[in-house]
Amino acid sequence: GAVVSQHPSRVICKSGTSVKIECRSLDFQATTMFWYRQFPKQSLMLMATSNEGSKATYEQGVEKDKFLINHASLTLSTLTVTSAHPEDSSFYICSARDFMGTTKGELFFGEGSRLTVL
Amino acid sequence: AQKITQTQPGMFVQEKEAVTLDCTYDTSDQSYGLFWYKQPSSGEMIFLIYQGSYDEQNATEGRYSLNFQKARKSANLVISASQLGDSAMYFCAMREGNNNAGNMLTFGGGTRLMVKP
Repeated sequence: GAVVSQHPSRVICKSGTSVKIECRSLDFQATTMFWYRQFPKQSLMLMATSNEGSKATYEQGVEKDKFLINHASLTLSTLTVTSAHPEDSSFYICSARDFMGTTKGELFFGEGSRLTVL
Repeated sequence: AQKITQTQPGMFVQEKEAVTLDCTYDTSDQSYGLFWYKQPSSGEMIFLIYQGSYDEQNATEGRYSLNFQKARKSANLVISASQLGDSAMYFCAMREGNNNAGNMLTFGGGTRLMVKP
């Protein structure tokens, strides 16, 4: 299947700092990527849809100024958690669909990034 | 209302036995897709199986099969011959609408499966 790579896998930062997470589609182009957030022992909740060359679409309740998304190319989307606070500590996981490579429409996920804000 | 419901927060199964993980969904779309993912403790999401709303046959992928009952809006995952490596969280997910690049997946709450030796 298609490969999505996410970096960093783990990050610990101090409260008030910003953290950038990268999501790359390695062997396919992704006009759309999806950013999910997962709290411990909970399900994946969609945060935003990242669109190449245009603004991201955020889900209700997700602060766009807090979670900046940039999708500058067909293979890279970045999520920046600005002025991080302990309540932002979570598992962030990106995904994309290899629209040309599969008819099922499954999402391929990155490895996830575990953010801990002290 | 929840779009995807997984009523079993945790399940035990004896190694080599079969297990069924429940999933019900709610949509008014005629075209939709149903997916199952496995999430081991490492956190990665592994795609297991897919069922399209217009597919008449139940999907199968190796030891995984999907018991699709459209009228009841259920899409249960059946794992045959359980292995210790099957211990993980399992998520049911749905895509509403056609297979377009922009259609995201909505996930259920998950079921933690534990395989006993």
